[in-house]
Amino acid sequence: DAGVTQSPTHLIKTRGQQVTLRCSPKSGHDTVSWYQQALGQGPQFIFQYYEEEERQRGNFPDRFSGHQFPNYSSELNVNALLLGDSALYLCASSPGPGELFFGEGSRLTVL
Amino acid sequence: GENVEQHPSTLSVQEGDSAVIKCTYSDSASNYFPWYKQELGKGPQLIIDIRSNVGEKKDQRIAVTLNKTAKHFSLHITETQPEDSAVYFCAASGENTGFQKLVFGTGTRLLVSP
Repeated sequence: DAGVTQSPTHLIKTRGQQVTLRCSPKSGHDTVSWYQQALGQGPQFIFQYYEEEERQRGNFPDRFSGHQFPNYSSELNVNALLLGDSALYLCASSPGPGELFFGEGSRLTVL
Repeated sequence: GENVEQHPSTLSVQEGDSAVIKCTYSDSASNYFPWYKQELGKGPQLIIDIRSNVGEKKDQRIAVTLNKTAKHFSLHITETQPEDSAVYFCAASGENTGFQKLVFGTGTRLLVSP
């Protein structure tokens, strides 16, 4: 049984560019959340998707947007990249209220 | 909003010793407290969790305790092994967020020396 899978694993962008990160949830999980983890810090909640809609959002600007598809997979989009957006972006899935299973993350470097 | 503080930031122990990591939270509405282990280059892995209707939970060498009145919870690892070396994060969330919005502590780097 595959766990949460994310792609790409690493990517490098320049300031002002846009990036799309992808996530496939664990089999049987219908809820996906995205977290940003800066170096040396704990993950910070970006937003949660359920039934193809954004249900909750953390303190992130509108440059951060997402999407969930009918097969429960999800994308995270970040526009107008800033140097401070450099981080590990984690996707987590859950079968409903309860424990979250995290993927290995996508490491974004903004130059 | 919720704020979670975690101590210590680093912890070095000898193999076989016990390790204790402590966290405090601020929001009395929080009632779900998971602990995650993150190894270098990997995503966080859930190792144990506790809900506010119990005060202690054990799973082999790992235990978590919760004091709702004082708003703090702790992770206890007994008989530590070198493979326990990693960064450990505590987190808190509430039923009002469907337990989806985890607020994490800043992490504890545990080093277990042989």
